[in-house]
Amino acid sequence: DSGVTQTPKHLITATGQRVTLRCSPRSGDLSVYWYQQSLDQGLQFLIQYYNGEERAKGNILERFSAQQFPDLHSELNLSSLELGDSALYFCASSDPRGNSPLHFGNGTRLTVT
Amino acid sequence: AQSVTQPDIHITVSEGASLELRCNYSYGATPYLFWYVQSPGQGLQLLLKYFSGDTLVQGIKGFEAEFKRSQSSFNLRKPSVHWSDAAEYFCAVGAMGSSYKLIFGSGTRLLVRP
Repeated sequence: DSGVTQTPKHLITATGQRVTLRCSPRSGDLSVYWYQQSLDQGLQFLIQYYNGEERAKGNILERFSAQQFPDLHSELNLSSLELGDSALYFCASSDPRGNSPLHFGNGTRLTVT
Repeated sequence: AQSVTQPDIHITVSEGASLELRCNYSYGATPYLFWYVQSPGQGLQLLLKYFSGDTLVQGIKGFEAEFKRSQSSFNLRKPSVHWSDAAEYFCAVGAMGSSYKLIFGSGTRLLVRP
């Protein structure tokens, strides 16, 4: 158990809809990262938050947004969903020390029909 | 451009046999290198990491990896594979600091023959 909690485990929704994925980092970790894993793109970095502030952006679509709250949990919002957004979305966290690896949650599997 | 290449999509080995999974990277700065394993329906579990120092690093579950700068490689090895090692293995490269994102390879799926 990595200590990173993601909810829900599975999500099935229709095209055009909006969903919110939630992540609770490991205790003490200030950074939260979101990754998307799909068959055609592999594991892609989406966005990073550090202590409530956006720190780095990757291949995140404009239809997607994220935030990190004062209690350090994070939410990834996906809107105007398309079939191609179907994927496994991972959250990871790391602690404030240097040279700290990422610890991943078990992911949320999103299916857009 | 920064990239990670895992040239083997699938590898099949017999239980008890040795294993080597290949990873090559392209990175502008001194890389930090990682191997993660993903079992079906699970998240990614860190097997081992290389930051600096000894180029042969030991990880969990009996895995080890060797960093070879001249070959831009970070191959994962295990002397004797167990059936429970069947999973997908990902090599990743990154750099630490205030902004930290990992670049992952496409993964190698390991199948273990009884």
